[in-house]
Amino acid sequence: AQSVTQLGSHVSVSEGALVLLRCNYSSSVPPYLFWYVQYPNQGLQLLLKYTSAATLVKGINGFEAEFKKSETSFHLTKPSAHMSDAAEYFCAVSETGTASKLTFGTGTRLQVTL
Amino acid sequence: NAGVMQNPRHLVRRRGQEARLRCSPMKGHSHVYWYRQLPEEGLKFMVYLQKENIIDESGMPKERFSAEFPKEGPSILRIQQVVRGDSAAYFCASSPAWDRDTGELFFGEGSRLTVL
Repeated sequence: AQSVTQLGSHVSVSEGALVLLRCNYSSSVPPYLFWYVQYPNQGLQLLLKYTSAATLVKGINGFEAEFKKSETSFHLTKPSAHMSDAAEYFCAVSETGTASKLTFGTGTRLQVTL
Repeated sequence: NAGVMQNPRHLVRRRGQEARLRCSPMKGHSHVYWYRQLPEEGLKFMVYLQKENIIDESGMPKERFSAEFPKEGPSILRIQQVVRGDSAAYFCASSPAWDRDTGELFFGEGSRLTVL
């Protein structure tokens, strides 16, 4: 069975500050890991994904995430927050070799202040 | 290249009525997934379908909910005798068969059901 835990349902940062959104996973087999972003009243857009290649994954809009097997973590970071980054962010896990059924975390709402 | 299309975007139903939500996957995609997002919660898997087949319905409530993906036409999620607890955003996602095992899904903008 697979699961995802996102610590912090709300995160607030100042514009220009570092963004760090935490995600820990549990999986009985090597996982595939994803970060999705959801803007208000819209669907989910893929930010980045880890599929067992490089452990540091770069995504769109300047985001990146690092897969750390020893910590079972896949935290999302961005060096400098922008007002347009305000949204809900979801971490998700999929087990390799099985049908594509993503298990999502409960989400982290990112607020960016001036 | 059109993305995943869902309609209606917003649907209002009274308790006891039926709700039908439609999803047309991206061109070339043969796998469809339905997820439900309750207010202030993450997405919960409901069902995974291929053309004319239900592959995994482990997330579907046992009563009142059904899904299909016919050979021709969109996938449909049907909710009979809706109750207030069914109020949620229902998201459809699709993937191409060749990418099935990497897990990447392409999401529509969702259908927001409100039950009065």
